[in-house]
Amino acid sequence: AQSVTQLDSHVSVSEGTPVLLRCNYSSSYSPSLFWYVQHPNKGLQLLLKYTSAATLVKGINGFEAEFKKSETSFHLTKPSAHMSDAAEYFCVVSTGTASKLTFGTGTRLQVTL
Amino acid sequence: GAVVSQHPSWVICKSGTSVKIECRSLDFQATTMFWYRQFPKQSLMLMATSNEGSKATYEQGVEKDKFLINHASLTLSTLTVTSAHPEDSSFYICSAREELLRYTFGSGTRLTVV
Repeated sequence: AQSVTQLDSHVSVSEGTPVLLRCNYSSSYSPSLFWYVQHPNKGLQLLLKYTSAATLVKGINGFEAEFKKSETSFHLTKPSAHMSDAAEYFCVVSTGTASKLTFGTGTRLQVTL
Repeated sequence: GAVVSQHPSWVICKSGTSVKIECRSLDFQATTMFWYRQFPKQSLMLMATSNEGSKATYEQGVEKDKFLINHASLTLSTLTVTSAHPEDSSFYICSAREELLRYTFGSGTRLTVV
């Protein structure tokens, strides 16, 4: 079985300050982990993914995430938030041959002036 | 990059009617497509996995006779909500797997049943 837990349902930051969105995973096998972003009434856009290569993964729009096996974590960070980063973010895990995706409950990022 | 087109983006239908949603991979072939349902301010719940040329695999609790999935070609999967009722109102999203661990999502369909 696989699951992800997004520890914060809502995060608010000021523009220009760092962003930290937390995610912990549970998986019986070596997981692949993803972060997706969703803007209102839109589909999902891939920010980055981890697939057992480098543990520090760099994604689009300045986001990055670090896979920490000892902590079963895959937190998403960005050094400086921009207003356009305001959206819903999903941490996602995939394991096994079926490669089905299991989504976390999402974190809504609010960016204020 | 890979593009998945999903239509319609929104639809309003009367209770008891059926609605078809299309999901097309525009520039790649997708042997596997996935259908998700998303309630307001909630996460995506996998409804079914659609494999080209075979029957879809439904997740537990999803009525296969209500949510008909057809994946007749490598670029097209359809989801038909039959005899829709207000509780079927939701945001439906498809995803196509281009290769292992490479998924592209459609832009979603907002279904409102009145």
